[in-house]
Amino acid sequence: GAVVSQHPSWVICKSGTSVKIECRSLDFQATTMFWYRQFPKQSLMLMATSNEGSKATYEQGVEKDKFLINHASLTLSTLTVTSAHPEDSSFYICSVPGTGANVLTFGAGSRLTVL
Amino acid sequence: TQLLEQSPQFLSIQEGENLTVYCNSSSVFSSLQWYRQEPGEGPVLLVTVVTGGEVKKLKRLTFQFGDARKDSSLHITAAQPGDTGLYLCAGEVDNQGGKLIFGQGTELSVKP
Repeated sequence: GAVVSQHPSWVICKSGTSVKIECRSLDFQATTMFWYRQFPKQSLMLMATSNEGSKATYEQGVEKDKFLINHASLTLSTLTVTSAHPEDSSFYICSVPGTGANVLTFGAGSRLTVL
Repeated sequence: TQLLEQSPQFLSIQEGENLTVYCNSSSVFSSLQWYRQEPGEGPVLLVTVVTGGEVKKLKRLTFQFGDARKDSSLHITAAQPGDTGLYLCAGEVDNQGGKLIFGQGTELSVKP
C-alpha cells in the first residue's frame, strides 16, 4: 500500500479561525484521496472524495463551503476547516488507495480542537 | 445510502475468552475490510475479504465473508490484553475506487 503522511497530527485553534490539514502520499501518485471524520468513541464517517485536478465529491450532509478540499497534485490533498467552531473538534483522517485491489492506506490522523 | 451495522459496540471480556464481532448490511459490497485502530492513530488494515463465503485466518483471528457478500464476522480465540482496541469493519462501495463505508466500531477490552 501507499505511505501516507498527515500533518499536523494535532492542532488547537480559536473559534472563527481556519485550519488546514495536509494529506501526502509519499510513494504513490493518487488521483483520489478520501477524507473521514471521527468523533470520540465513534466510527469513521466519510466526508468527501478528493479528486486531483477537479472538484471534490462531498457526502450528504457535509458542508462543502465549510470543509474546503483542494487536491492540487497527485501527492497532496488538503482539507481546510473554515470558520471553525467547537463542534468541529474531531479527529480527521485521510486515506489513499494503493496500486492493488482493495488496498487502502490511512494517515495517522489530525486531532483538531477548537476552543 | 449503504449502511453497515456492527455489533456489539462495546465488549469487555477476560483474557482467554472467545468473542465474535458482526457486521451486517442489506447492501452487497465488492469487498469487506477489517481494521484495528489504536487511540490517536489511523486505522490499520487487518484483512480484506472479497469472495462470498471466504474465510481468512490471521493467527487467533478468523474472518468470514457471507455468501451473499452482505455480512461479515470477526472471531477472536483466546483473547489477550494485547487485543484491546477499536475494531472496525468497512465495506467497499462498488466501482468507486476505494470508497469505504464503516460500521460503528467495536470497542474491545480484554482484562488480564
